Amino acid sequence: KAGVTQTPRYLIKTRGQQVTLSCSPISGHRSVSWYQQTPGQGLQFLFEYFSETQRNKGNFPGRFSGRQFSNSRSEMNVSTLELGDSALYLCASAEGAEGNEQFFGPGTRLTVL
Amino acid sequence: GEDVEQSLFLSVREGDSSVINCTYTDSSSTYLYWYKQEPGAGLQLLTYIFSNMDMKQDQRLTVLLNKKDKHLSLRIADTQTGDSAIYFCADKGGKALTFGSGTRLQVQP
Repeated sequence: KAGVTQTPRYLIKTRGQQVTLSCSPISGHRSVSWYQQTPGQGLQFLFEYFSETQRNKGNFPGRFSGRQFSNSRSEMNVSTLELGDSALYLCASAEGAEGNEQFFGPGTRLTVL
Repeated sequence: GEDVEQSLFLSVREGDSSVINCTYTDSSSTYLYWYKQEPGAGLQLLTYIFSNMDMKQDQRLTVLLNKKDKHLSLRIADTQTGDSAIYFCADKGGKALTFGSGTRLQVQP
């Protein structure tokens, strides 16, 4: 089976712009979670989707949003980018509702100038 | 809130065993995980343990869990240079994984 794929791998944006990141989970996996990784804050949970519904959300401002499609693919969107949004954004997929085994993609490296 | 703590750095010689330690605070943690991250890559799930287990062995990896002290460790036997990476401990007590800050393992030839 192919692993979790994320596109694009690298992205450079300027402050005030918006960005959309994409994640394709492992085939058959219905749960997708998003995490932000920065040197200062480490790995922080953004949100989790299961069967097109957002089940859980972390402590991020409303500028961060996401969605999941019927084929389990997920996108996350960040509007009005700030310098502090520069990070590695990681997507993880899990098979069932419990999501106990989460497999991560390679991440999208976002740089905000 | 939940917290997961790890030491920042560990250096070992090739062929030795490595032991990476982690403590967590969430009493409701059901699963505890070890992930490996190499430079420029995502997180690789190494192993995980259910909270009612004391130990799990998987080839060169041994996970020990002391639930009373909320202490988790990962032992890597016969450490190789390819094991050099950052190792993250994580727990899942509620809605998502809570990660430690990561332990950088340096393996010297």
